[in-house]
Amino acid sequence: DTAVSQTPKYLVTQMGNDKSIKCEQNLGHDTMYWYKQDSKKFLKIMFSYNNKELIINETVPNRFSPKSPDKAHLNLHINSLELGDSAVYFCASSHRGQPQHFGDGTRLSIL
Amino acid sequence: GNSVTQMEGPVTLSEEAFLTINCTYTATGYPSLFWYVQYPGEGLQLLLKATKADDKGSNKGFEATYRKETTSFHLEKGSVQVSDSAVYFCALSEGSNFGNEKLTFGTGTRLTIIP
Repeated sequence: DTAVSQTPKYLVTQMGNDKSIKCEQNLGHDTMYWYKQDSKKFLKIMFSYNNKELIINETVPNRFSPKSPDKAHLNLHINSLELGDSAVYFCASSHRGQPQHFGDGTRLSIL
Repeated sequence: GNSVTQMEGPVTLSEEAFLTINCTYTATGYPSLFWYVQYPGEGLQLLLKATKADDKGSNKGFEATYRKETTSFHLEKGSVQVSDSAVYFCALSEGSNFGNEKLTFGTGTRLTIIP
């Protein structure tokens, strides 16, 4: 009965590769988010979608492309991975201004 | 723009000690304020929230009061347990109900409780 689930939990890959992280929520929420947590634990929003429409797009390289096929899913595709992309990526969801619920994170390590 | 400033960690306390983690914010409007907790290897969990001035959020023995005059939302607990060891994040949210209510986080404070 996981509320916000992300896959994979760990992702180890080489520089230059393309990878995707998937997120699904079963809470019936209408808004989903991606956050990046760096090695110092600092969290920063990357994107948000409301009813499959992109709402927030922070200053993120265009190698990062979110896709929301429906309200319950928000995937993150990253092209040409760089060392600086190593981080923990968190998906979150919320509904009509209520507090955001977070997934357990995907730890991305670039070799 | 919006910002959140938390006290630097790490913080180490003995069991049953009193805890305060300071948090101040800068916002252009009237934000909602939150404390999130991250246990080792897990995602963030909402600990408590307050949506307007003078509101007090509370949960699991933790409390924080929304102080507009001092732009603060300090987290307190009267008697900490070993199980409270985690990283605590103060955050604020502004925006409407339609997807632009992004969270702005502080840098997090790592708390370790010693038996």
